[in-house]
Amino acid sequence: GAVVSQHPSWVICKSGTSVKIECRSLDFQATTMFWYRQFPKQSLMLMATSNEGSKATYEQGVEKDKFLINHASLTLSTLTVTSAHPEDSSFYICSARFYAGERETQYFGPGTRLLVL
Amino acid sequence: AQTVTQSQPEMSVQEAETVTLSCTYDTSESDYYLFWYKQPPSRQMILVIRQEAYKQQNATENRFSVNFQKAAKSFSLKISDSQLGDAAMYFCAYRSVLTEKLVFGKGTKLTVNP
Repeated sequence: GAVVSQHPSWVICKSGTSVKIECRSLDFQATTMFWYRQFPKQSLMLMATSNEGSKATYEQGVEKDKFLINHASLTLSTLTVTSAHPEDSSFYICSARFYAGERETQYFGPGTRLLVL
Repeated sequence: AQTVTQSQPEMSVQEAETVTLSCTYDTSESDYYLFWYKQPPSRQMILVIRQEAYKQQNATENRFSVNFQKAAKSFSLKISDSQLGDAAMYFCAYRSVLTEKLVFGKGTKLTVNP
């Protein structure tokens, strides 16, 4: 199956700093990637859709100036949490759209655990 | 907006037995996709099985099969010959053909007892 990686796998930062999370499709090109947030023991909530070469589309209630997304190439999307605060602590997961013929599936990265002190 | 409901927060099954996880969804669309994802303690989301709404035949993947009832908007997952490695959170998900976004249910935590 298609492989998606995320880096870092976990990060601890001080309040007020910015944190960048990378999402890479390792063996396929992904014109579209998705960023999710998952709180403990809860489901995944879509934050934004990242399209290569264009601006990301954010879900209602997600601050685009807070969560900057850049999809600069067909294999890399980055999520930057700007001026992080403790309430931004969460598990962030990306996924990439993979096509096998006409069949489309989302494959997920292993996630990044963010703790803001 | 589409919604996905998993009414069983937790389920347990004996090793080698069969268990069925429930999922219902609400949509006004006629064409869509349904998925079951597994999230083990590592928290890596793993695709278990997918179903295209236009297909009447239920999808199967080895020990995993679904019971897709389009009229009832029901999409249950059956795990046969349960193994210890099946223990995980299971999420049912809906994907609209139009918006291409995944909408997840709240998940069912499956415990497999030896």
